Amino acid sequence: AQSVTQPDIHITVSEGASLELRCNYSYGATPYLFWYVQSPGQGLQLLLKYFSGDTLVQGIKGFEAEFKRSQSSFNLRKPSVHWSDAAEYFCAVGRRGNTGKLIFGQGTTLQVKP
Amino acid sequence: GAGVSQSPSNKVTEKGKDVELRCDPISGHTALYWYRQSLGQGLEFLIYFQGNSAPDKSGLPSDRFSAERTGGSVSTLTIQRTQQEDSAVYLCASSPGQDGGSYEQYFGPGTRLTVT
Repeated sequence: AQSVTQPDIHITVSEGASLELRCNYSYGATPYLFWYVQSPGQGLQLLLKYFSGDTLVQGIKGFEAEFKRSQSSFNLRKPSVHWSDAAEYFCAVGRRGNTGKLIFGQGTTLQVKP
Repeated sequence: GAGVSQSPSNKVTEKGKDVELRCDPISGHTALYWYRQSLGQGLEFLIYFQGNSAPDKSGLPSDRFSAERTGGSVSTLTIQRTQQEDSAVYLCASSPGQDGGSYEQYFGPGTRLTVT
């Protein structure tokens, strides 16, 4: 069965520091991969997605993610974090040729210290 | 343009009562999804509608849950005889893609359901 693991439940970084949020998935083939962000009381906003092609994808708000097939990973990165990035981040997997329903990780809460 | 909208934003109900949650997808989107977000379970898929095809109900947790989509647009999620474990945020999403196409989903703000 498909699964998504976000090993870090909570991460704290200082403003201006770099950020990496980890995501590992379990799936028999290359899935569709997504990162969403959820601010308190808000719905989910798509940060970026990977369908095929270049394994380094750029998203909104200065985020990027790299698909590594050999490691079954899709880690999210940002070179310099802003206080407004404090939120919960979800990695999600969609199966090709399926209905498109997403399987989500448990989420990582990002706290930004001034 | 307008995003996905959901109503009500908050709903408090007594155990045993029925509730209806509404979702208005982005105009022109053919696919519509319902998810549930709760503390213990994270984000769970509930049901998926695509055009006139039979919905994928594989995520519905019990027969107390049902959903319909009228005219290929608005969707209503109904929970009968609510239980305290139904308390969660119910998220709706829509997507422009058909099967095999884009799976980029756009989410609404959610309905927070509290069962007392």
